[in-house]
Amino acid sequence: QKEVEQNSGPLSVPEGAIASLNCTYSDRGSQSFFWYRQYSGKSPELIMFIYSNGDKEDGRFTAQLNKASQYVSLLIRDSQPSDSATYLCAGMKTSYDKVIFGPGTSLSVIP
Amino acid sequence: GAGVSQSPSNKVTEKGKDVELRCDPISGHTALYWYRQSLGQGLEFLIYFQGNSAPDKSGLPSDRFSAERTGGSVSTLTIQRTQQEDSAVYLCASSPTTSDYTDTQYFGPGTRLTVL
Repeated sequence: QKEVEQNSGPLSVPEGAIASLNCTYSDRGSQSFFWYRQYSGKSPELIMFIYSNGDKEDGRFTAQLNKASQYVSLLIRDSQPSDSATYLCAGMKTSYDKVIFGPGTSLSVIP
Repeated sequence: GAGVSQSPSNKVTEKGKDVELRCDPISGHTALYWYRQSLGQGLEFLIYFQGNSAPDKSGLPSDRFSAERTGGSVSTLTIQRTQQEDSAVYLCASSPTTSDYTDTQYFGPGTRLTVL
């Protein structure tokens, strides 16, 4: 069993819709979770991180964490074609443990 | 300030040759990661440094791969006797080590390695 799992997609949504990206993790000791976006041919860049149960909002992005269910999600409201990319979920136990990445979900926003 | 830099940006080599890939992390970042990414694939973890120590080398594919970090800063990934399956983009990332679980990784632009 992989430590961090994501649906590989591709996920297609129409422009203006809400895109929902999901991630599950197996290690209950994981404390923090990160969402990275990777455009084709580019390096990953951080969108946001979350470490408390509940929702965290940043502009059009909302991260949700449910530690009891070992589930993390990223919602993108008012999706734009420029949001088309691969989204990587990552988890970390402590600052001295390595970060574990999931395989990524490919998102395509259709104009 | 300066981000993570990697050199060379592109490397073409012949099968059987050795190559060295360099990573300059963000100043003050104690953690440094090497990843490999093949076309259309996810990140493959190779090795993780905390300072000059490598607590986790579990991702190195074979004993042809090695890495070191000196002075808590620059890291070099060496691939000996390269094979065609080593062709990929090699990404380096650095992060600070915080006490509040917010250790964001900052990625370099990568080195594209092509083994002919």
